[in-house]
Amino acid sequence: GAGVSQSPSNKVTEKGKDVELRCDPISGHTALYWYRQSLGQGLEFLIYFQGNSAPDKSGLPSDRFSAERTGGSVSTLTIQRTQQEDSAVYLCASSGDPASGELFFGEGSRLTVL
Amino acid sequence: RKEVEQDPGPFNVPEGATVAFNCTYSNSASQSFFWYRQDCRKEPKLLMSVYSSGNEDGRFTAQLNRASQYISLLIRDSKLSDSATYLCVVNPRYNFNKFYFGSGTKLNVKP
Repeated sequence: GAGVSQSPSNKVTEKGKDVELRCDPISGHTALYWYRQSLGQGLEFLIYFQGNSAPDKSGLPSDRFSAERTGGSVSTLTIQRTQQEDSAVYLCASSGDPASGELFFGEGSRLTVL
Repeated sequence: RKEVEQDPGPFNVPEGATVAFNCTYSNSASQSFFWYRQDCRKEPKLLMSVYSSGNEDGRFTAQLNRASQYISLLIRDSKLSDSATYLCVVNPRYNFNKFYFGSGTKLNVKP
């Protein structure tokens, strides 16, 4: 499809396990963002990639969270030793022109940590 | 203090009503402003940008007040399909690639 694709759409895991969430941005979009949204809350910025520049990791809540973007395209967000407070919807967005303000979001990966 | 604050609502209005939401931002150096719409259990989508002089897109009007650090969204002649959560988004001058999202204002338009 032409939109941002995220997988898995739903993930249930046990506390302490590691999880990987994948994002496939719109082809040609150099900017890629990860946000998370807890129930009834706004979007919390996690990390931002732009082309080959060093990522802006200022939103990652702890060192259990990491993300990479290979080849300037697909990105993976990894959460190690998951905790119950990590339960949220993790949203990926891409943009061809961030100055326009238009971020194209995927449908999200809903993570539930038991 | 949060970068962006919004009244969570919900705002319950009848079809055809006019409704307005405000959003305040804390950083006076904020550069750009936007309204996004998020339907229940869906991803956010850009509704409109907010320009300094105010701007209109059909039934939607956005205003910016830099002195008081707030932006507003006015919806005229509300439709059932306008029911959604409206997210205020702010882009700081010091990092134009970063976007801060408010928690959203929920709108329910009733028949």
